[in-house]
Amino acid sequence: GAGVSQSPSNKVTEKGKDVELRCDPISGHTALYWYRQRLGQGLEFLIYFQGNSAPDKSGLPSDRFSAERTGESVSTLTIQRTQQEDSAVYLCASSPQTGSAGNTIYFGEGSWLTVV
Amino acid sequence: DQQVKQNSPSLSVQEGRISILNCDYTNSMFDYFLWYKKYPAEGPTFLISISSIKDKNEDGRFTVFLNKSAKHLSLHIVPSQPGDSAVYFCAASKAGRRALTFGSGTRLQVQP
Repeated sequence: GAGVSQSPSNKVTEKGKDVELRCDPISGHTALYWYRQRLGQGLEFLIYFQGNSAPDKSGLPSDRFSAERTGESVSTLTIQRTQQEDSAVYLCASSPQTGSAGNTIYFGEGSWLTVV
Repeated sequence: DQQVKQNSPSLSVQEGRISILNCDYTNSMFDYFLWYKKYPAEGPTFLISISSIKDKNEDGRFTVFLNKSAKHLSLHIVPSQPGDSAVYFCAASKAGRRALTFGSGTRLQVQP
């Protein structure tokens, strides 16, 4: 597709269950990001993948959160033993490789997670 | 510790007037700044950016100003249109690190 694609668009899960969120970045984009936005709060960085480099996991809030990326394509964000405070919209974004510090990134529409 | 701050959660302006959205940052290592616009139930979309080597960047109705000494940037929208009503996020990144740090957003309402 032309843009960043995320699935599912909406997910309701019971507390304690695991969830997987998927992101298909824009073709050719080497960088991929996960952010989340909880109700009433700003965008919070979670993790960043760039090519074959080690991912920047500095934003993951706990060891219940993990993410993988296959090459320069699909990424999966996994949340284990979900808690109610995990309820948020999880946004994936991608950007092309650039040689400068500038990095315009393109967001998907998000996966809305509700933990009940 | 909020490194990028948008102190006004909301702003209301009349159609045709100027909208000014403000953003402050604390980390002097930031060297690239961006504004994103977000409509309800959609992901943010890129609007305009500015590098720290500049103090102004203009794109149509949108202009971003950067004051490095004050660690402050602003987004000006002239003239404002009802379709500009959205939440605007300021974001910043450091050289060599592509992850963006976002502010909490300002909701702009343009009244017809």
